[in-house]
Amino acid sequence: KAGVTQTPRYLIKTRGQQVTLSCSPISGHRSVSWYQQTPGQGLQFLFEYFSETQRNKGNFPGRFSGRQFSNSRSEMNVSTLELGDSALYLCASSSDLQWQYFGPGTRLTVL
Amino acid sequence: GENVEQHPSTLSVQEGDSAVIKCTYSDSASNYFPWYKQELGKGPQLIIDIRSNVGEKKDQRIAVTLNKTAKHFSLHITETQPEDSAVYFCAASGGGGGADGLTFGKGTHLIIQP
Repeated sequence: KAGVTQTPRYLIKTRGQQVTLSCSPISGHRSVSWYQQTPGQGLQFLFEYFSETQRNKGNFPGRFSGRQFSNSRSEMNVSTLELGDSALYLCASSSDLQWQYFGPGTRLTVL
Repeated sequence: GENVEQHPSTLSVQEGDSAVIKCTYSDSASNYFPWYKQELGKGPQLIIDIRSNVGEKKDQRIAVTLNKTAKHFSLHITETQPEDSAVYFCAASGGGGGADGLTFGKGTHLIIQP
């Protein structure tokens, strides 16, 4: 069974731009969660989607948004990028809400 | 909200020795406690988990213990091997890990000395 895939793996943007990251969950998994990982703050929960609905959201500004499609694939968008948004963005999929499997992440660098 | 503290931040042990990583959590409603291993350039990989109705769980060289009263849980790795070198994260969540989101500790860099 293929694992969680994330595209692109690396991304370089400049301040003020916006970016869209994509996540394809494990086949059959309907829950997709997004996390931000930085050296200073560690792993922080962004939001979770299940059947195209956002069920929960972490403590991030409205510049961070996401969506989920009918095939469970998910995208997250960050608008008006700031230097502090540089991070590894991780997607995790789950079938039963607790066993979460992570993808390799997208490394975003904001210049 | 939930707060998870993890210690130590770095742990160096001799190959073959045991390693113990400890975490405490603040929210008594949390009932699911997974441990993840992250190698360089990869996403976190689930290695073991425990639920609040269980005190201990083992999987070969890895074990996790949970003390609900004290609100702490620990990861134990016995007979450590070079491939155990990685960053380990503990996490906690409420009734639904996906819906509630996992709250992670800051991580422990485990170094296995040959």
